[in-house]
Amino acid sequence: QQNVQQSPESLIVPEGARTSLNCTFSDSASQYFWWYRQHSGKAPKALMSIFSNGEKEEGRFTIHLNKASLHFSLHIRDSQPSDSALYLCAVSMGNYAQGLTFGLGTRVSVFP
Amino acid sequence: EAAVTQSPRSKVAVTGGKVTLSCHQTNNHDYMYWYRQDTGHGLRLIHYSYVADSTEKGDIPDGYKASRPSQENFSLILELASLSQTAVYFCASSQGADERLFFGHGTKLSVL
Repeated sequence: QQNVQQSPESLIVPEGARTSLNCTFSDSASQYFWWYRQHSGKAPKALMSIFSNGEKEEGRFTIHLNKASLHFSLHIRDSQPSDSALYLCAVSMGNYAQGLTFGLGTRVSVFP
Repeated sequence: EAAVTQSPRSKVAVTGGKVTLSCHQTNNHDYMYWYRQDTGHGLRLIHYSYVADSTEKGDIPDGYKASRPSQENFSLILELASLSQTAVYFCASSQGADERLFFGHGTKLSVL
């Protein structure tokens, strides 16, 4: 069964800094890699995804994927207080039979 | 934005009682999911469905049943609620198995 681990568990960063979050997975056949963000008391919301090795940038957010290392990461440039949330990584095998497997999350706090 | 609504928003149930959580989506999505979120366990998949009148077991189906009477509606049923089922339950829908999930606002269930 897929095992998804996130690090660190929590992070405190100053406004304007770069935030880096890590996610490792166990099944090398994994196909799709997601980051979700969940503000306190709210529903998780998809941020972005990647399915091929390399880097993908959307605004202040960048995903890096290295399938051989079973690792992907999320980097937030110019972190804002509104980025304070629980960040969840998720992995999909690419078919309905598996669904999405989520990590436990990294709690990010950005202070002004 | 895709809409997924859950009812009730919160519920207090007694041990051994029956609980039904409802989910309705107006996205015209084929896939629907039920997840539970606990501190320290992240989001875990209970049941999912990819077509009306059919449901599939997720990673933690024990103690739960699901029903998908139509494309729009997906229910989660706890026949005999237990203390260990106290959690926040999220319903989600997606257009495909590799597409982003759209979550409802969640149902906070407390079993006493």
